[in-house]
Amino acid sequence: DTEVTQTPKHLVMGMTNKKSLKCEQHMGHRAMYWYKQKAKKPPELMFVYSYEKLSINESVPSRFSPECPNSSLLNLHLHALQPEDSALYLCASSPGTGGRRGYEQYFGPGTRLTVT
Amino acid sequence: KQEVTQIPAALSVPEGENLVLNCSFTDSAIYNLQWFRQDPGKGLTSLLLIQSSQREQTSGRLNASLDKSSGRSTLYIAASQPGDSATYLCAVRRNYGQNFVFGPGTRLSVLP
Repeated sequence: DTEVTQTPKHLVMGMTNKKSLKCEQHMGHRAMYWYKQKAKKPPELMFVYSYEKLSINESVPSRFSPECPNSSLLNLHLHALQPEDSALYLCASSPGTGGRRGYEQYFGPGTRLTVT
Repeated sequence: KQEVTQIPAALSVPEGENLVLNCSFTDSAIYNLQWFRQDPGKGLTSLLLIQSSQREQTSGRLNASLDKSSGRSTLYIAASQPGDSATYLCAVRRNYGQNFVFGPGTRLSVLP
């Protein structure tokens, strides 16, 4: 199984809502990533988890809260978002152990988030 | 700070042409470089991964080269097909740290 899955595919939420995005991989990868991508722009890194511990937070506002309950699962909890947070949210994973292919990233299909 | 650029920003070619996409990076202290394609509104599909010690990688009609000292990589697509139409992104990983830096992408259209 070489797939990263993300749910939901689409999400529309109001600024007062609380919602969560989910990402799952069963490749035994030990590093997982959240990216945000605006239209016609490259992905921007938000968070990196390595061996289930948060290793990188790219100064992301606290209304985004990541969680890694186990090595296969990554969540992104959303609260009090702004309309400018509307974007495609991409999850990725990599083996994370260095070596020849250790950092090759595999991406999920993304969640299209619209904040109204 | 690593900066990645891609030229051209957009490219339109007739079917069957061979083409080259360019990626440049400012800091040569990289661990690897990965090429992706992205269809509109979709996730990224990995095409090729080149380690810093390698000069090129090939997969089918795709060939990626890396010249670390000059901070450049090229993606060569042979005998282009309409199904190759997508945005192509390169991403560079530093020697230390776990994050990639992405280029802005090249939007490719292959016309039937």
